Amino acid sequence: QQPVQSPQAVILREGEDAVINCSSSKALYSVHWYRQKHGEAPVFLMILLKGGEQKGHEKISASFNEKKQQSSLYLTASQLSYSGTYFCGTEPLISNFGNEKLTFGTGTRLTIIP
Amino acid sequence: NAGVTQTPKFQVLKTGQSMTLQCAQDMNHNSMYWYRQDPGMGLRLIYYSASEGTTDKGEVPNGYNVSRLNKREFSLRLESAAPSQTSVYFCASSEKDRANVTRNTEAFFGQGTRLTVV
Repeated sequence: QQPVQSPQAVILREGEDAVINCSSSKALYSVHWYRQKHGEAPVFLMILLKGGEQKGHEKISASFNEKKQQSSLYLTASQLSYSGTYFCGTEPLISNFGNEKLTFGTGTRLTIIP
Repeated sequence: NAGVTQTPKFQVLKTGQSMTLQCAQDMNHNSMYWYRQDPGMGLRLIYYSASEGTTDKGEVPNGYNVSRLNKREFSLRLESAAPSQTSVYFCASSEKDRANVTRNTEAFFGQGTRLTVV
């Protein structure tokens, strides 16, 4: 079953902040975040492993709450280049490891306007 | 370093025809995946392969078959194409080291195959 993302779409003015949420009904080993530009392949942003970590990547950061099986992606001071569709991907927790079944959510379309 | 290569990039099929989508990676990854992408549906997993010689069903396997020919190649076959299989297909690969759980499992994607079934 696909993880659930929210919101489905968001429009921001340049410099504003956004939060994208991802939740799963299954226990998770890891959460991945990817960005896809129109007509291109998804590109990796970051991965968070179970342990409840938080990571940062320039002005994009993410958190993973393994107890709630939720992750959030934070985009601060958004730039025009942040436009695209963001996907979370999840790996289920099997015997304290992940497995290779990487399942993606339905995506969040982010539009940044000048 | 090519990464993940998919062929063909575009294909038009008639209903009932068969075809194989090819995928090859040159990163020595163990795990490979096939996804389809449809508007509003995100990326849906069709099949995946954890290692050479093994394959498992994903969320939407019906109408497809796969072959993990060797460590590099993972092909997706449509035996009798249907209009509902019109989609963009992505192949991806990743590495996982069970001996080191902190190892990155970043997935690398090919550029996609746009398939239209008429």
